[in-house]
Amino acid sequence: RKEVEQDPGPFNVPEGATVAFNCTYSNSASQSFFWYRQDCRKEPKLLMSVYSSGNEDGRFTAQLNRASQYISLLIRDSKLSDSATYLCVVNTGGFKTIFGAGTRLFVKA
Amino acid sequence: GAGVSQSPSNKVTEKGKDVELRCDPISGHTALYWYRQSLGQGLEFLIYFQGNSAPDKSGLPSDRFSAERTGGSVSTLTIQRTQQEDSAVYLCASSLVPSGFLQETQYFGPGTRLLVL
Repeated sequence: RKEVEQDPGPFNVPEGATVAFNCTYSNSASQSFFWYRQDCRKEPKLLMSVYSSGNEDGRFTAQLNRASQYISLLIRDSKLSDSATYLCVVNTGGFKTIFGAGTRLFVKA
Repeated sequence: GAGVSQSPSNKVTEKGKDVELRCDPISGHTALYWYRQSLGQGLEFLIYFQGNSAPDKSGLPSDRFSAERTGGSVSTLTIQRTQQEDSAVYLCASSLVPSGFLQETQYFGPGTRLLVL
């Protein structure tokens, strides 16, 4: 079993739609969690950190469920510019950072 | 301010040759990571440097891969006797402190696209 698993997609949604991605992790000792965004042929960039209480940044909401060992990302009112690959990132403490393979999102006009 | 830079941006080499990839992290960042990303795949952790501590090399796929970080700043990833399966994008990232602490962000360079013929 992979340490961090994501549905690769692709998710094809119309503009304005709400879309949600889940990511599961296997190490119960994992301590910090992130969502990164990667555009085609570009480097990953931090989208948002994921906090235990859940957090929101504009149209984006991230949640953590430690009991079930998954994190989620919800995107409301999708824009064409949201088209990208979304990487789930889990850190087990200290330095070891595990990236998921990513979920591809295509937002259509 | 300046971000993470990597050079070369692209490298084409013949099987069996050695290559060196360079990473200049953000000034003041103590943690430096190397990852590999094959086409359509996620990021594969290779090696991690933190300050003057011994690096964690647990992700290096074979003994043909090595890396060093001089003076706690610039890092070089060396691949000896390259193979076609080494073809990938090699990404470097740095963070102020290790990412596990304080939800620290990793800042990525643009990567080096390596093609082994």
